[in-house]
Amino acid sequence: NAGVTQTPKFRVLKTGQSMTLLCAQDMNHEYMYWYRQDPGMGLRLIHYSVGEGTTAKGEVPDGYNVSRLKKQNFLLGLESAAPSQTSVYFCASSRPKVGPGGLNEQFFGPGTRLTVL
Amino acid sequence: GNSVTQMEGPVTLSEEAFLTINCTYTATGYPSLFWYVQYPGEGLQLLLKATKADDKGSNKGFEATYRKETTSFHLEKGSVQVSDSAVYFCALSDNYGGSQGNLIFGKGTKLSVKP
Repeated sequence: NAGVTQTPKFRVLKTGQSMTLLCAQDMNHEYMYWYRQDPGMGLRLIHYSVGEGTTAKGEVPDGYNVSRLKKQNFLLGLESAAPSQTSVYFCASSRPKVGPGGLNEQFFGPGTRLTVL
Repeated sequence: GNSVTQMEGPVTLSEEAFLTINCTYTATGYPSLFWYVQYPGEGLQLLLKATKADDKGSNKGFEATYRKETTSFHLEKGSVQVSDSAVYFCALSDNYGGSQGNLIFGKGTKLSVKP
């Protein structure tokens, strides 16, 4: 099993350009997530999905859109990139949390380093 | 709201030294607690977890005990190795019935172990 994979690994954009980051998982997980990691900020949730065809906003959704057309894929789009979106982006997936005591162990991809000039 | 606070790094230790990375949390109810590790150039990996008070999570020589009375989940290892050099993240997950269980991360603590 490949687990969670992300493409591309690196990308440089100019301000105003658009791009899509692809996340794929082969663990048949229902839930998928997009995070950004910035120095001194830890990981912050951008958007997440609890199933095919559903998405929801996380902590920092502005400037990003997502789509979950297939269960195994979760796409993160930047319509008009800004320098403030320079970051490392991580995708993760998990099984559903079952019940009040259920765990949400997330499995992470290797990340995409994005620079916006 | 829920939050996680970790000791600020970086932490630099010599090989075989004792490690403690402090983590405290604020949460409603009884969250699950996690430590994730990020090795250079890689994504995060789950290191250990605990789901209720007094639970002790352990893995690869690392341990952390869920202390409800002090709202803490400190990470410890008795003898660190150079290969433990990484960034360590404490995280919590809401456990109330209507929650999706999204993770809330601390800011991370970078550990460097010198030979």
